[in-house]
Amino acid sequence: QLQLQESGPGLVKPSETLSLTCTVSGGSISSSPYYWGWIRQPPGKGLEWIASIYYSGSTYYNPSLKSRVTVSADTSKNQFSLKLSSVTAADAAVYYCARQIAVSGIRNIDYWGQGTLVTVSS
Amino acid sequence: QPVLTQSSSASASLGSSVKLTCTLSSGHRTYIIAWHQQQPGKAPRYLMKLEGSGSHNKGSGVPDRFSGSSSGADRYLTISNLQSEDEADYYCETWDSNTWVFGGGTKLTVL
Repeated sequence: QLQLQESGPGLVKPSETLSLTCTVSGGSISSSPYYWGWIRQPPGKGLEWIASIYYSGSTYYNPSLKSRVTVSADTSKNQFSLKLSSVTAADAAVYYCARQIAVSGIRNIDYWGQGTLVTVSS
Repeated sequence: QPVLTQSSSASASLGSSVKLTCTLSSGHRTYIIAWHQQQPGKAPRYLMKLEGSGSHNKGSGVPDRFSGSSSGADRYLTISNLQSEDEADYYCETWDSNTWVFGGGTKLTVL
């Protein structure tokens, strides 16, 4: 059974960089045909896609966040990571990692991590 | 970029059925979507992929009470024999050119 687990600081200061890691078990992030993505949910609000990395290493970003976001992967540790720079209070949210299918034009999320709450405060 | 529109709330009685709607924006009515359920305080859970034809593929362990259908730009999630644990937020998701979007979510209350 595939499992995804987010980890990282729960508190980030304004203007600093948020860094999160997703550890995947029960499957390899370098096997096709999947993307590995980050999604966030501000308290009481809906879901917002942030970024994804394809199993080959190609990266894709939400245009509204692109200037501040970097996603990367460490296949030796079966992990992928998110960095979001210059955070403000608007970046406070539960951050989820997820697996996204990549087959014949199908791209939906089929597995979610449990999520990690990130607070932005000095 | 497609836009997904969902009603903000819905309610139905225990044991009854409810049909939730996700509407695709103009020019995107043939798009495939996915439905996800988010119970209170929990992570989202994948329910199913739903095509414009109405063909759907459910995730592992999703009860038979959950089904999908389509009509034009509308994608539906029907939940039959409502249970208390079905009280949750339901989100639709779609994608285009390696970007993903979500609907605003529907909060389902089981009366």
